[in-house]
Amino acid sequence: SQQGEEDPQALSIQEGENATMNCSYKTSINNLQWYRQNSGRGLVHLILIRSNEREKHSGRLRVTLDTSKKSSSLLITASRAADTASYFCATDPHNAGNMLTFGGGTRLMVKP
Amino acid sequence: GAGVSQSPRYKVAKRGQDVALRCDPISGHVSLFWYQQALGQGPEFLTYFQNEAQLDKSGLPSDRFFAERPEGSVSTLKIQRTQQEDSAVYLCASSSRANTEAFFGQGTRLTVV
Repeated sequence: SQQGEEDPQALSIQEGENATMNCSYKTSINNLQWYRQNSGRGLVHLILIRSNEREKHSGRLRVTLDTSKKSSSLLITASRAADTASYFCATDPHNAGNMLTFGGGTRLMVKP
Repeated sequence: GAGVSQSPRYKVAKRGQDVALRCDPISGHVSLFWYQQALGQGPEFLTYFQNEAQLDKSGLPSDRFFAERPEGSVSTLKIQRTQQEDSAVYLCASSSRANTEAFFGQGTRLTVV
């Protein structure tokens, strides 16, 4: 079973627009991670936000975490066609160090 | 090596055949994980090693699935008597220690026909 659920399942935007993806999870966490997956490829780690953090930035990425609502969001600003991929949130509900539980993912398409 | 390496990249197996999937983690990484990803879904945890010790195998779907990491580096995921529902991408990941970034391999796409 999957811990997290991403919303929306699919998102199509124009290059230059911002993309926002949301993730909800069920149990308490130590951290939440976001990954990207290009079609037919492995997952690439984007950002990790700890449970005592509310917001984190990395380049064009902004992640927020609301532990009271058990939710997180990933914002990609000024999107590019190369951002087209699936994005997954992942948590470690057992606090066992990267025994990750992934959501179903958001499939983002950025049109040039 | 530069990253996590998995082989083969693609495997087609006839139903009932045994398969072995290999993972070479990043050198020195203590933790190694296997995940199964069905088409259009997120990865699902299978099993976890710390060095050569298999600390958790709760995600293995049946006793046909077996994983080992005898020397604490390379790992093999073996599936016996493959079934069609085993068709998926099998991802391996490694990390230097708990609660640090996990690096994923490109995966092995298994198709059981």
